[in-house]
Amino acid sequence: DAKTTQPPSMDCAEGRAANLPCNHSTISGNEYVYWYRQIHSQGPQYIIHGLKNNETNEMASLIITEDRKSSTLILPHATLRDTAVYYCIVLTGNQFYFGTGTSLTVIP
Amino acid sequence: DVKVTQSSRYLVKRTGEKVFLECVQDMDHENMFWYRQDPGLGLRLIYFSYDVKMKEKGDIPEGYSVSREKKERFSLILESASTNQTSMYLCASSLPWNQPQHFGDGTRLSIL
Repeated sequence: DAKTTQPPSMDCAEGRAANLPCNHSTISGNEYVYWYRQIHSQGPQYIIHGLKNNETNEMASLIITEDRKSSTLILPHATLRDTAVYYCIVLTGNQFYFGTGTSLTVIP
Repeated sequence: DVKVTQSSRYLVKRTGEKVFLECVQDMDHENMFWYRQDPGLGLRLIYFSYDVKMKEKGDIPEGYSVSREKKERFSLILESASTNQTSMYLCASSLPWNQPQHFGDGTRLSIL
């Protein structure tokens, strides 16, 4: 089962881009990378997912390296409301394997 | 938008009680999931279901059972609650294969 490794915490200045890294070196060819975030006392919120190509939506961009062993979630203009725990997850079949995530603090 | 509703935000029960946690989704999703979340351990999968009356064990099924009699509803049952089952419980639903899971806001369960 592919697992992920993320830094436990990061800070980002308000208005700047937040770049959250994730390593998934054991990922296999048909496993997707997902990103979720969780704000205190709420359920995890889906952000974005991808397989090989870079992806962008209204919330964020996902950059996946060519060898697929790592990825980066980019929040282009971080706001105070983006302060949350961010989870990088590899989907294996129907099962998500959540790690402990990265606690992102956006600083005014 | 997908709506996953968990019946209670906070629940307090006593050791030995039989506890039911209910989850309802409104998007006709085939898959439903129950997780628990504990500090330092992240989310851990308890049970999941691919379809009505189908269930599969996750990583930590001991002490729990589930019921899925209707497609929109997935119940988690603590047969005889114990203090080590005090936790945040999260329900999720999704379409099959590689589709995002959508989560409810969780039930914070305390077993005294």
